[in-house]
Order: sequence, then structure tokens, then C-alpha cells
Amino acid sequence: EPEVTQTPSHQVTQMGQEVILRCVPISNHLYFYWYRQILGQKVEFLVSFYNNEISEKSEIFDDQFSVERPDGSNFTLKIRSTKLEDSAMYFCASSYRAISYGYTFGSGTRLTVV
Amino acid sequence: DQQVKQNSPSLSVQEGRISILNCDYTNSMFDYFLWYKKYPAEGPTFLISISSIKDKNEDGRFTVFLNKSAKHLSLHIVPSQPGDSAVYFCAAGGETSGSRLTFGEGTQLTVNP
Repeated sequence: EPEVTQTPSHQVTQMGQEVILRCVPISNHLYFYWYRQILGQKVEFLVSFYNNEISEKSEIFDDQFSVERPDGSNFTLKIRSTKLEDSAMYFCASSYRAISYGYTFGSGTRLTVV
Repeated sequence: DQQVKQNSPSLSVQEGRISILNCDYTNSMFDYFLWYKKYPAEGPTFLISISSIKDKNEDGRFTVFLNKSAKHLSLHIVPSQPGDSAVYFCAAGGETSGSRLTFGEGTQLTVNP
């Protein structure tokens, strides 16, 4: 069964450093998403991406965050200057349709900012 | 953000019995509702969804019921199996909220053999 692949599974970074979280969505999917889950909290929407541009972003997705699909297969989330409160599980997801008949999520990257 | 709420953090049932997971929402603009299952160290896995124009959707052992007037949905698992033990998330979305999903807090289901 097709999978969404995320790397790395765990990343530790120092506060103020830049991190790039990587995702390989399912190959025929057209819509791409990042969500995050801070420990003990809800899964929260960050951003959606379609046709090589951001289609929607949440209030969390400020200027410190950016997304890119550099080569037609990877989908990356960059955090420019990490803060302690960015520590969370980050999930990439993809879907074939815009209406959510069930995204396919990756296994997540646990980001720890120290 | 309290738009989607799962009030029970945990539920324990015996194998073979029915599991009923509940979810409430406040935003009447939601057009569709989904249930996801999540095992530790994995991402959420889509289980079943329902459109706001329906009141029931069934897929094998899983049935989702939607009561729009009460802004309530539930997931029934019959019969429950030990492999169903996981965290279950309710999520909702709508045309007015673009492609984003709003998740509930999750309910940890434990099915005892």
C-alpha cells in the first residue's frame, strides 16, 4: 500500500537553529499538508499546498515557517529559527482530492528543541 | 480551539463487545467528519468518514453516526478486537475552512482479551 514517508523520525536541534523536515508524499497525490501535535495537545493544522503554492495556512504558520516542493517528489517544512515551543510531532499528509476523504499521514518527525 | 471535542480521554471494553466513541462539534459549517486511528509511533490512519448530508455510514465493523441537530457524532466498533486498541481521533472539515481538518483531543481505546 502506498505510504507517505517522513525523515528523520527524530530530530534534536538547538534553539535558534534552522531545521528542515522532509516528506515524500504518495506519488499521484496532488494536495500536501503539514500538521503538528505538541505533546498532550490536539493535532493542529499548519499548512496545505497545491499546484506549487500554499493554498491555506493557519495562524501558527508564521514567517518562521516555509514549505517547498523542490523536485516534484519531496515536500519540505522549514523552520528558520526554532523555539522551545516548536517541539512537537510533525506530520506530513497527502491526498488526491481537496475534500478530505481521508488524508494519508506519514509516521511523523519528532522535533525536540533544546 | 474547541470546535471539535472528544470528552472521554479513555475507554475500556471487552473483546467482542461494542465500542462507542463520541465526538461533539460546535461549527455548523462543517461538511464532513472523519475518524482516524493512531498507534504509538505512527501517523493517524484514516478509518471512516461521513458527509453532513448523511446520518450513517458503515464500513465492515465500523459505523459512524451523525446527529446534526445535536452536533454529535459517534463511532461504533462491533465486535471490538484487541488490535483495535489505539487512540481514535475525530476530525471535521468544510468548504468554508478550505482543506484543513480540525481534530478532537483523541480517545484511547483499550480492548481487553
